[in-house]
Amino acid sequence: QQQVKQSPQSLIVQKGGISIINCAYENTAFDYFPWYQQFPGKGPALLIAIRPDVSEKKEGRFTISFNKSAKQFSLHIMDSQPGDSATYFCAASKTAAGNKLTFGGGTRVLVKP
Amino acid sequence: KAGVTQTPRYLIKTRGQQVTLSCSPISGHRSVSWYQQTPGQGLQFLFEYFSETQRNKGNFPGRFSGRQFSNSRSEMNVSTLELGDSALYLCASSLTTTSRDRDGYTFGSGTRLTVV
Repeated sequence: QQQVKQSPQSLIVQKGGISIINCAYENTAFDYFPWYQQFPGKGPALLIAIRPDVSEKKEGRFTISFNKSAKQFSLHIMDSQPGDSATYFCAASKTAAGNKLTFGGGTRVLVKP
Repeated sequence: KAGVTQTPRYLIKTRGQQVTLSCSPISGHRSVSWYQQTPGQGLQFLFEYFSETQRNKGNFPGRFSGRQFSNSRSEMNVSTLELGDSALYLCASSLTTTSRDRDGYTFGSGTRLTVV
């Protein structure tokens, strides 16, 4: 059972454009929703995270939008740069499960100069 | 400060053998988790240890096991290796298992295991 569904699988965007990645979850017990960025040969690194009491969170060029009733959340990368080319994963966890993260399938983003 | 250190970085093993992977968490972190990353199944949780006790376990066969030492370092073991065990094995550490520390959850660069 895939508890976190992520789309699209891949994305090509021009430099300066906006990248949008969407995720949907099933388990209403999830109470923490992070986004991770992974470069080849490296482990995932936390980019930004949100909790369900907030509908939007912005950090620099990265924004998470959260819709609790629809059980969806998304990552927006504004002014995309070639250095943003990486694979992005959404994830979810619940307090009762400690640090266990359930990941989406990942989105490979390529930013063209 | 040093990050999460995983050794070795690369490993090639033969089907049927067993393998042990090592993870040293960030200094002061007492929770260590393990994940398997493959192109087909993505990132899947294996288990989490805190204070030398397994706190949570994913849906993997008993061939996958782990342990944590008193200094918080952790090892995972895979016995009777199968071709499908070829993957990037990632370790992550955190101060505790409580929700307030989740932003500090940090991954290592992983061990790339190839089973031939």
